[in-house]
Amino acid sequence: EDKVVQSPLSLVVHEGDTVTLNCSYEVTNFRSLLWYKQEKKAPTFLFMLTSSGIEKKSGRLSSILDKKELFSILNITATQTGDSAVYLCTPRRGDDKIIFGKGTRLHILP
Amino acid sequence: EPEVTQTPSHQVTQMGQEVILRCVPISNHLYFYWYRQILGQKVEFLVSFYNNEISEKSEIFDDQFSVERPDGSNFTLKIRSTKLEDSAMYFCASSEARRKETQYFGPGTRLLVL
Repeated sequence: EDKVVQSPLSLVVHEGDTVTLNCSYEVTNFRSLLWYKQEKKAPTFLFMLTSSGIEKKSGRLSSILDKKELFSILNITATQTGDSAVYLCTPRRGDDKIIFGKGTRLHILP
Repeated sequence: EPEVTQTPSHQVTQMGQEVILRCVPISNHLYFYWYRQILGQKVEFLVSFYNNEISEKSEIFDDQFSVERPDGSNFTLKIRSTKLEDSAMYFCASSEARRKETQYFGPGTRLLVL
């Protein structure tokens, strides 16, 4: 059975701190991994990772994938209150199905 | 920037009633999806749709559910006879042919079945 485990489940930090969100997965016929940010409603796309060891960056956010160890991390540096959200790690299978984890709820204190 | 839109944003219905949730995917996208998220739980895949037919569906997507692309822009999810446990946020997503891994989500429809 496909499995996605995100840790921590919840995290509270102060503005300016750096956070690392973890995702481990076991997915049949893995193809890629996507990170989404979910605030009040729909998940918004952050990154898609297909190759191991290649860091993707977007401003203060970065992410990397390790296909051998079956995990990915999402880093956020110099956090801001607007980063407060649930971050979803979603591996994608070869049949295009994406598997959602429970997410990491991140809360940034001013 | 183009975005996926969904209507209505909220719907309250009586158990046993039919509901139709509407989605307008991004215009050049060819792959369409429905997901649901029961309050406090994780997002669950329902169905994917391509070339006017269902390409995959989950165990949740039983005979009570159907999808349709009635015209060139809308993508609908119909629940024939709603149950209390159908109460959830329903998200539509779409992706383009060249980069179908990246799905763009709509704002969701919150459905409450009484």
